[in-house]
Amino acid sequence: EPEVTQTPSHQVTQMGQEVILRCVPISNHLYFYWYRQILGQKVEFLVSFYNNEISEKSEIFDDQFSVERPDGSNFTLKIRSTKLEDSAMYFCASSEEGIRYGYTFGSGTRLTVV
Amino acid sequence: TQLLEQSPQFLSIQEGENLTVYCNSSSVFSSLQWYRQEPGEGPVLLVTVVTGGEVKKLKRLTFQFGDARKDSSLHITAAQPGDTGLYLCAGASGTYKYIFGTGTRLKVLA
Repeated sequence: EPEVTQTPSHQVTQMGQEVILRCVPISNHLYFYWYRQILGQKVEFLVSFYNNEISEKSEIFDDQFSVERPDGSNFTLKIRSTKLEDSAMYFCASSEEGIRYGYTFGSGTRLTVV
Repeated sequence: TQLLEQSPQFLSIQEGENLTVYCNSSSVFSSLQWYRQEPGEGPVLLVTVVTGGEVKKLKRLTFQFGDARKDSSLHITAAQPGDTGLYLCAGASGTYKYIFGTGTRLKVLA
C-alpha cells in the first residue's frame, strides 16, 4: 500500500537552529499538509499546499515556518530559528482529491529542541 | 473557533465488551473522519462520513454522522486487544484543513 515517508524519525536540535523536516508524499497525490502534535495534546493543523503554493495556514505557521516542494517528490517544512515550544511530533500528510476523503499521514518526525 | 470534543477521554474495558465513543461540536462539518493512532505513529484513516445521518460499518466498527452534521459516534462491538489505541475524530474546516478532536484513548484488556 502506498505510504507517506518522513525523515528523520527523530531530530534533536539546539534552540535557535534551523531544521528541515522532509516528506515524500504518495506519488499521485496533489495536496500536501503539515500537522503537529505536542505531547499529550491535539493534532494541530499547520499548513496546506497545492499547486506549488500555500492554500491555507494556521496562526501557528508564522514567519519562522516555510514549506517547499523542491522537486517532484519531496515536500519540506523548515523552521528557521527553533524555540523550545516547537518540540512536537510533526506529521506530513497527502491526499489525492483535497480533504474530502481524508488524508494519508506519515509516521512523523519527533522534533526535540533543547 | 471550531472545536471537536470527544468523550470519554479515557476508556479501559475487557475484551468482548462493547463501547461507544462520541465526537461533538457546535459547528457544522461538511465531512468528518475517524482515525486511529498508535504510539509513535501517524493517524490512520478509518472512515469518512459526509451525509447527515450516514452510518458506515467497518467489520466490528460502526460510525454514525449526526443528522445535523455536528456530531458523530464510533461504536465497537466485541472489542479486542488489537483495538487498543488513540481514536481521533476530525472535521473538515473550510476547503483545505481538518480540525482534530481531543481524542479518546482506548485500552482493551485481554
